[in-house]
Amino acid sequence: DAGITQSPRHKVTETGTPVTLRCHQTENHRYMYWYRQDPGHGLRLIHYSYGVKDTDKGEVSDGYSVSRSKTEDFLLTLESATSSQTSVYFCAVGPSQETQYFGPGTRLLVL
Amino acid sequence: GNSVTQMEGPVTLSEEAFLTINCTYTATGYPSLFWYVQYPGEGLQLLLKATKADDKGSNKGFEATYRKETTSFHLEKGSVQVSDSAVYFCALSGNFGNEKLTFGTGTRLTIIP
Repeated sequence: DAGITQSPRHKVTETGTPVTLRCHQTENHRYMYWYRQDPGHGLRLIHYSYGVKDTDKGEVSDGYSVSRSKTEDFLLTLESATSSQTSVYFCAVGPSQETQYFGPGTRLLVL
Repeated sequence: GNSVTQMEGPVTLSEEAFLTINCTYTATGYPSLFWYVQYPGEGLQLLLKATKADDKGSNKGFEATYRKETTSFHLEKGSVQVSDSAVYFCALSGNFGNEKLTFGTGTRLTIIP
């Protein structure tokens, strides 16, 4: 257990508004990830980080940005939320790329 | 690129039945292979893994063997319980485990008493 928390756990927002999701870890793991989970698609990587201020895009990064100013926090921002971004968002952290511990998820509904 | 294909669900079994969830992969080099489990309302947890050909990963009565000749990593359990109801994801990490995880689409398993 990497002491992972995600906030908020649930959010309802309107189309066009910015939304920021937070992932916090207590173990100082190097790698942090943001995934979205949708029926029929499994888990898809949005962005990931391999260190403070070091981030890179995943397979579904359009419409999302991230920041990591401290080891323990990884923020995911939806710049202008759309209904297609309604999903469950999972943060994962780990000491290596193959070892990942997952947070409890954030359920986001964009109306 | 790397990819994982797992059997589509949902799968419904009676308690004490034998379980197989098929997983095949495409990867260059020597990937590490994983099964993750997601219980209702929770995040994913690592269930088992194997890092080289012919390795068998096992945990909580589940097993999977890394078969390079058939590029497969099927999940098995001899006698399932209601508490095994969950979504199961097969995944791989390429280049001896030094690359990001690639996940399959998941298989929902429901066990009925």
